[in-house]
Amino acid sequence: AQKITQTQPGMFVQEKEAVTLDCTYDTSDPSYGLFWYKQPSSGEMIFLIYQGSYDQQNATEGRYSLNFQKARKSANLVISASQLGDSAMYFCAMREGVGSGGSNYKLTFGKGTLLTVNP
Amino acid sequence: NAGVMQNPRHLVRRRGQEARLRCSPMKGHSHVYWYRQLPEEGLKFMVYLQKENIIDESGMPKERFSAEFPKEGPSILRIQQVVRGDSAAYFCASSPRADSNYGYTFGSGTRLTVV
Repeated sequence: AQKITQTQPGMFVQEKEAVTLDCTYDTSDPSYGLFWYKQPSSGEMIFLIYQGSYDQQNATEGRYSLNFQKARKSANLVISASQLGDSAMYFCAMREGVGSGGSNYKLTFGKGTLLTVNP
Repeated sequence: NAGVMQNPRHLVRRRGQEARLRCSPMKGHSHVYWYRQLPEEGLKFMVYLQKENIIDESGMPKERFSAEFPKEGPSILRIQQVVRGDSAAYFCASSPRADSNYGYTFGSGTRLTVV
């Protein structure tokens, strides 16, 4: 079974509008972390936002927020006021066993969503 | 305060040649991780190293691939006798410790093309 599922291969949004990128995950570990990375056409991986499984509030970083619905095992990324520079691939990733030892250093990535921001 | 440095940025090799990819972690980071990104895919874990030790190489192909992180110098990912299927982007990440609750800092990657 896929541990990270991103069901939207591509998304389009108008500049200045908000967009939600979907991510669902599968784990039986009670302690895990969820991440979003941005990969522009230049290829580097840019860390955007992190949500821990025990965090009570949804994570926010500037225009990025994470809509964490634990019971539904979803961790959608919301980008507000989209900008042309937001056009990129976006990857959701998970680490299991965070803070509990073991092989908790591995990130498992989804296949990504290509976001295009239209002027 | 340089980030994770990878070189070369692009590497072209003919089938059967060797590819050597280098990764210098962030200052103060002694944990290095290599990931591979095949076309149209997300990154997949390959190997986790600390200085002079391979901690977990469960994601490495059994043959032709090796990694090291010597006491001095960068971490090296070595691919012997490359084949077309090795064409991918190879990313290195580093962290100050393994159980950080935050994402790692990735380098810009090395794009290997096998012709």
